[in-house]
Amino acid sequence: ETGVTQSPTHLIKTRGQQVTLRCSSQSGHNTVSWYQQALGQGPQFIFQYYREEENGRGNFPPRFSGLQFPNYSSELNVNALELDDSALYLCASSPRTGYNNSPLHFGNGTRLTVT
Amino acid sequence: DQQVKQNSPSLSVQEGRISILNCDYTNSMFDYFLWYKKYPAEGPTFLISISSIKDKNEDGRFTVFLNKSAKHLSLHIVPSQPGDSAVYFCGYGGSQGNLIFGKGTKLSVKP
Repeated sequence: ETGVTQSPTHLIKTRGQQVTLRCSSQSGHNTVSWYQQALGQGPQFIFQYYREEENGRGNFPPRFSGLQFPNYSSELNVNALELDDSALYLCASSPRTGYNNSPLHFGNGTRLTVT
Repeated sequence: DQQVKQNSPSLSVQEGRISILNCDYTNSMFDYFLWYKKYPAEGPTFLISISSIKDKNEDGRFTVFLNKSAKHLSLHIVPSQPGDSAVYFCGYGGSQGNLIFGKGTKLSVKP
C-alpha cells in the first residue's frame, strides 16, 4: 500500500507567478484535502475534494484552487503568488469524508518559497 | 481567533520521564479530538484520538485525557523516548470534515 506522495518537494517562485502542486492519494482513499502550514503555525485547511468536487473550503481566497482526478490524485493551484504564500503545503487523503473513523494521512509536503 | 490553543511552544524532558502536552479549546461543540506528531521534513502522522463522550483513551505509551468542563486536552507520554522528539499538534474535527490544529508544541526528549 503506497502512502500519500507529493511533488515537487521544494519550489521557488516569484511574486505574481502561478504554481501547481501535485498529490497522489493513498490507495483506496477517495477524499483529499490540502493544508497550508506557515512557519510557526499549525496546518490550516485550504479545501477538500470528494469524488472530484470541492467538498469544503477554509478561509483562503479564490486564487487558491484545486482539482481532483478520477484516480483520486489532486492538484493545488495558486495564482498571483504573494510573499505570504511561502509555506509548507500538505496534502492529506482519507477513505471517506469526515474525520471520526478515518484520520487523515498526510504527505511530506511541498515547501514553497515566494521571493 | 484561535479555537485550539497550545500555549507551550516547546517542552524538554529527560528520557524515561513523563511528557505532558497540553491543549485548550474554546468551542464546547467539538466532539472529536486528535493528536498528530510531525518530524522535520515529514508530514504529520496520526497519533491518538478521543471522542467527547470519553475522558481518557490509551494506546501503549500514549494517553489522551479530556476535561470537558475545563475545555482542556492533554497528551501523556510515559516513558518518554528520544524518538518521541517531534512537534505535536492537537486538533479537532471541523464541520467540513477538516481538521483544525493548534500551533504545535515541540517536544525534545534528552537521553
